[in-house]
Amino acid sequence: DAKTTQPTSMDCAEGRAANLPCNHSTISGNEYVYWYRQIHSQGPQYIIHGLKNNETNEMASLIITEDRKSSTLILPHATLRDTAVYYCIVRVASLFDYGGSQGNLIFGKGTKLSVKP
Amino acid sequence: NAGVTQTPKFQVLKTGQSMTLQCAQDMNHNSMYWYRQDPGMGLRLIYYSASEGTTDKGEVPNGYNVSRLNKREFSLRLESAAPSQTSVYFCASSRRDRDRDTEAFFGQGTRLTVV
Repeated sequence: DAKTTQPTSMDCAEGRAANLPCNHSTISGNEYVYWYRQIHSQGPQYIIHGLKNNETNEMASLIITEDRKSSTLILPHATLRDTAVYYCIVRVASLFDYGGSQGNLIFGKGTKLSVKP
Repeated sequence: NAGVTQTPKFQVLKTGQSMTLQCAQDMNHNSMYWYRQDPGMGLRLIYYSASEGTTDKGEVPNGYNVSRLNKREFSLRLESAAPSQTSVYFCASSRRDRDRDTEAFFGQGTRLTVV
């Protein structure tokens, strides 16, 4: 089972900030929060990740609550090209924490973000 | 850099036929993955390889075999294709940073139809 819960869909007006929530109430201390997006039927694209602190890069910001049980991905000025399915994933930090070999990049169903003109 | 390259991009198979999906990455990544994505669904992990010569089953390995030929290449084989294997297949790779896998990079997918 996916370890995260996301809304099925969201709308956002073009030029406004898009705030995508994710609940991960069972997250462990050694798990990172990763965000990916998938535009139409292309391969997923990495956006950002974090452990405890808030993170920002050229694409987005990631806000993680102090208890780490939820996070929000922020696209500061959404464009039509940001219309995509956004996936929130929790992932163990160390290979040794999951036996060193088991794949640990598990996707849920994500949030379909529609940016409207 | 080409990143992650998958071949073929499209394929139609008859039930019972076999085929191999090829994946190669030029980023010197240690870990490689195979996923499938069915319509309206998220990605499901088929197999994973942490390094050359090692492979492990993911969520949905039945009906598939994999081979990590070398560090660059990770192939997925369908020995006897079934209509239930109609899907889009994605290959991915990620770098090892000390003992942690970093963000994964994905190929553009192989669209497979089994009739």
